Amino acid sequence: KQEVTQIPAALSVPEGENLVLNCSFTDSAIYNLQWFRQDPGKGLTSLLLIQSSQREQTSGRLNASLDKSSGRSTLYIAASQPGDSATYLCAVPNQAGTALIFGKGTTLSVSS
Amino acid sequence: DAGITQSPRYKITETGRQVTLMCHQTWSHSYMFWYRQDLGHGLRLIYYSAAADITDKGEVPDGYVVSRSKTENFPLTLESATRSQTSVYFCASRAGNTEAFFGQGTRLTVV
Repeated sequence: KQEVTQIPAALSVPEGENLVLNCSFTDSAIYNLQWFRQDPGKGLTSLLLIQSSQREQTSGRLNASLDKSSGRSTLYIAASQPGDSATYLCAVPNQAGTALIFGKGTTLSVSS
Repeated sequence: DAGITQSPRYKITETGRQVTLMCHQTWSHSYMFWYRQDLGHGLRLIYYSAAADITDKGEVPDGYVVSRSKTENFPLTLESATRSQTSVYFCASRAGNTEAFFGQGTRLTVV
């Protein structure tokens, strides 16, 4: 059964810092991995989708990497801003490929 | 409006009542999903659908019923609401093995 873990559960940084969020998964036979952002009381916003054939995907100040063999993905946020404060979730397909399995997220707080 | 919309956004109901949460997407995505989000448990899959008239159970299906007569709609019904079903419910959709998109959620309180 696929399991997804995100460490740390919470992270506080001052504005301007570069930071890395971690995601690990137990079954490396995935075809993609998706990172989401969730603001308090809101829905999930898709940030990046990395296909299994890719090693990295970039969008603005965000860069996600995927290492299937080690069962890990990282989300790198450059020059963090207070507006980046949110919970970040990673998700991978279940073994049947029919639905997404989520980690419990990393709650990021960026102080000005 | 394009995208995926859920209604209602907030709902308070009494124990034992039947409640239906609505989900509508405008992309004609084949896959649709219902998740619930609870503190300490994260997001858990309730039901999913691979196409119209094809549905299957997820991790926590007990007490819920779904249907999908049209590609764009995927309603979730709580047959007899219980306090343990107080949660935030999210609908999502995707086309094949591509990016998944989520609705804004329905906050359901069962009293």
